[in-house]
Amino acid sequence: QVQLQESGPGLVKPSQTLSLTCTVSGGSISSGSYYWSWIRQPAGKGLEWIGRIYTSGSTNYNPSLKSRVTISVDTSKNQFSLKLSSVTAADTAVYYCAHDYGDYGWFDPWGQGTLVTVSS
Amino acid sequence: QSALTQPPSVSGSPGQSVTISCTGTSSDVGSYNRVSWYQQPPGTAPKLMIYEVSNRPSGVPDRFSGSKSGNTASLTISGLQAEDEADYYCSLYTSSSTNVVFGGGTKLTVL
Repeated sequence: QVQLQESGPGLVKPSQTLSLTCTVSGGSISSGSYYWSWIRQPAGKGLEWIGRIYTSGSTNYNPSLKSRVTISVDTSKNQFSLKLSSVTAADTAVYYCAHDYGDYGWFDPWGQGTLVTVSS
Repeated sequence: QSALTQPPSVSGSPGQSVTISCTGTSSDVGSYNRVSWYQQPPGTAPKLMIYEVSNRPSGVPDRFSGSKSGNTASLTISGLQAEDEADYYCSLYTSSSTNVVFGGGTKLTVL
């Protein structure tokens, strides 16, 4: 089974762009009909799906975040990335990347998560 | 698409059974079978426990089972064990809107 690991800055200033990368190991990011998703969880709160990317590069985003989100993939590095623009304190959360089974609607496995704090 | 409704907390004694509900509407849970359940012990990442309403991934004990009736999906844990204490989340994928929504989560306490 593949493993996923998030990486990126743990602190981002308000109004700036949050950038995270997810590295996939134990398998090729482009093999099979796979999607790759980003999901976040504010402290003490529930999960929120951010969006996903298919190995072809096509994307789907949560309508509530769509205007600020960009997800991209770099198959040469076996990585996919998240950019969230114009961040505020409300974007402070643990961000997870996950293997997404597309139209079957489930996520497995997940990365361990990385905390991103938005603060000046 | 609104979040799915879960009870904030449930509890049970070791050996007992508990059921966690996940309620939506006729437009989401009632119309799609893409319901999955995740277990999240404190400080860890979520783990898939049930997919497509009632299917268990390899390695998940058969004490965990899923079902759906009308607009409500349910996760039942039988023979409760101390290690089952965690937060549980349901999720639903709707192909019509290409969106995923999660329930608010349920904290399971093993007494």
